[in-house]
Amino acid sequence: GEDVEQSLFLSVREGDSSVINCTYTDSSSTYLYWYKQEPGAGLQLLTYIFSNMDMKQDQRLTVLLNKKDKHLSLRIADTQTGDSAIYFCAESLTDSWGKLQFGAGTQVVVTP
Amino acid sequence: DVKVTQSSRYLVKRTGEKVFLECVQDMDHENMFWYRQDPGLGLRLIYFSYDVKMKEKGDIPEGYSVSREKKERFSLILESASTNQTSMYLCASSPTGTGYGNYGYTFGSGTRLTVV
Repeated sequence: GEDVEQSLFLSVREGDSSVINCTYTDSSSTYLYWYKQEPGAGLQLLTYIFSNMDMKQDQRLTVLLNKKDKHLSLRIADTQTGDSAIYFCAESLTDSWGKLQFGAGTQVVVTP
Repeated sequence: DVKVTQSSRYLVKRTGEKVFLECVQDMDHENMFWYRQDPGLGLRLIYFSYDVKMKEKGDIPEGYSVSREKKERFSLILESASTNQTSMYLCASSPTGTGYGNYGYTFGSGTRLTVV
C-alpha cells in the first residue's frame, strides 16, 4: 500500500519550537493522529484531529491539517528535554473498519 | 485506567523455539493488532483481529500465527523462532468502526524479543 511519510530525524534546542511534518495518503481519512513513543515504551496517543478541522491546539501542541495537500504537522512550543521521543503520525483508512496506517516515525532529540 | 498489557517486557529465546507473546486488554475492544517495530522501518502490521476467533494477515505475516479465543486476549505465535525475528513487538487494541476520535489505538508497552 501507499506510505504515510515523515522525516526520520529532528534536532531542536530546548525552549525552541519543534515542527514535525507528515504527508498522508487517504484524502477521505476521518481522523489523523499523533503518537509519542518514549525510549523502551509503547506508543501513547498524543493528540488527534478530525478531518473537518484545519487546526487544533492543546496546551503546547498545535496540529495543522492541510487537506488539499494531505499534509499534517505537529508543533511543540517551548520544547523540553522530556519531549525527546519518536513521534508517529497515523491516518484512519476509510476502506477499513478502523485500521490505522502509521508513518515510520520522527526521532526528536532536544539539546540543552 | 484502561490498559493493554503485554506479558513480558524482555524475552530471550533460542532459534527454533516456539514462542508465545501474550496481550490482554480490559477495554472490551473488538479490534486487536500485533506490530513489530524495527529501527528505520517504523511499525509493520503482522496480524489483526476484529472479533473473537477472527484473524486477518497484515503486511508481514510470514513466520507468525495468532490466536484469539477470548475477546480480551490476542496471542502472537512464532512457530519456529529465527534470528531475523529479533525485534520489538507491540500489541494494540481499538473499538470498532471509524470515527472513534480520541480513542484511536491503545498500545501495550511492548515486548523486546531477542532470538539467539
